[in-house]
Amino acid sequence: SQQGEEDPQALSIQEGENATMNCSYKTSINNLQWYRQNSGRGLVHLILIRSNEREKHSGRLRVTLDTSKKSSSLLITASRAADTASYFCATVFNNDMRFGAGTRLTVKP
Amino acid sequence: NAGVTQTPKFQVLKTGQSMTLQCAQDMNHNSMYWYRQDPGMGLRLIYYSASEGTTDKGEVPNGYNVSRLNKREFSLRLESAAPSQTSVYFCASSDQISNSPLHFGNGTRLTVT
Repeated sequence: SQQGEEDPQALSIQEGENATMNCSYKTSINNLQWYRQNSGRGLVHLILIRSNEREKHSGRLRVTLDTSKKSSSLLITASRAADTASYFCATVFNNDMRFGAGTRLTVKP
Repeated sequence: NAGVTQTPKFQVLKTGQSMTLQCAQDMNHNSMYWYRQDPGMGLRLIYYSASEGTTDKGEVPNGYNVSRLNKREFSLRLESAAPSQTSVYFCASSDQISNSPLHFGNGTRLTVT
């Protein structure tokens, strides 16, 4: 069964807009990770946020974690056509890492 | 710097045939993983190897076997392929299990007819 569930399943925006994706989960975690997958390729790691952290930044990416609500969000600011991809959250507890089904982001030029 | 290399990229099998998917990493990582990805299902863990010499079942191990040949290589074997094993298979590695990001290969697209 999947641990993280992303919302929305699909998102379409214009270049320059911000994109927000959410991930909800059901049990305890040690950390939560976000990955990007371009069509036909493997997943690429974006950010790892630990359970005692609330926010992390990497370039145009901002990830928040609210363990009381069991949710995380990924914000991509000033989106580009090259950001078009699927985005997955993965929850980690002990040695168990579970991926959600992903959000398909389309950025129109 | 190759990272994680998977072979083959594509494979078509008939029901009942066997095959081995190969994976090698050049990052000196301790942990290695095999996932399958099906439409709408995200990635599901088949087997993992926390360190050289150990392997453990993941979420969907039935119908598969693995071998951690050495620190670099982790293979996945299908002994008797079934149509339900049609999927895209990804190998990944990480420095430590649980607390490190995963590095993925580009996948093997397997079709079982």
